[in-house]
Amino acid sequence: GESVGLHLPTLSVQEGDNSIINCAYSNSASDYFIWYKQESGKGPQFIIDIRSNMDKRQGQRVTVLLNKTVKHLSLQIAATQPGDSAVYFCAENMRGGSARQLTFGSGTQLTVLP
Amino acid sequence: NAGVMQNPRHLVRRRGQEARLRCSPMKGHSHVYWYRQLPEEGLKFMVYLQKENIIDESGMPKERFSAEFPKEGPSILRIQQVVRGDSAAYFCASSPGQGSEKLFFGSGTQLSVL
Repeated sequence: GESVGLHLPTLSVQEGDNSIINCAYSNSASDYFIWYKQESGKGPQFIIDIRSNMDKRQGQRVTVLLNKTVKHLSLQIAATQPGDSAVYFCAENMRGGSARQLTFGSGTQLTVLP
Repeated sequence: NAGVMQNPRHLVRRRGQEARLRCSPMKGHSHVYWYRQLPEEGLKFMVYLQKENIIDESGMPKERFSAEFPKEGPSILRIQQVVRGDSAAYFCASSPGQGSEKLFFGSGTQLSVL
């Protein structure tokens, strides 16, 4: 069935380097995407979102890129810091759906090396 | 603290007992969602509620699980006759209204069934 999936389950980066976390989605009806960060023992924390009428959106140190042609979403973190170590989830919301249709991927564990 | 509040943080039950998980949404939010997370997996939607109404329970197991969001007080996720497979982290999220796609999550309840 249609689902949200991540390319890599783990990612290790050196402190100060940029991180790129990828996500593939297959539901062509999805028009809204969110990245969440989940630290150990905590609930998911909203990072950034993007709608399908955009291909790029920037936040503080984070950028989300959306490629609808290949159904690919990425999260870029600039100058990665130790506090960025966490599991990152992408989530999609189908067109016309409310939040109850938010579907999560399985997550990527980001580890920042000193 | 105006965030989503969940309690208890940790709940241990023996097989056959009942588990009650509580969630108070963010101030001003009238929509509550429950998600379940197994280790190293993404969050799976369970149920979506408004005050005194279940809007979507398509993710709820057919038996032993129920949820409510009364006019007064927190939302309750109830699991009767727990089994080991119910062991998971249960997260509650809230939003201000339908169509508000961004969800704000609590810190979760970790249920362990012995």
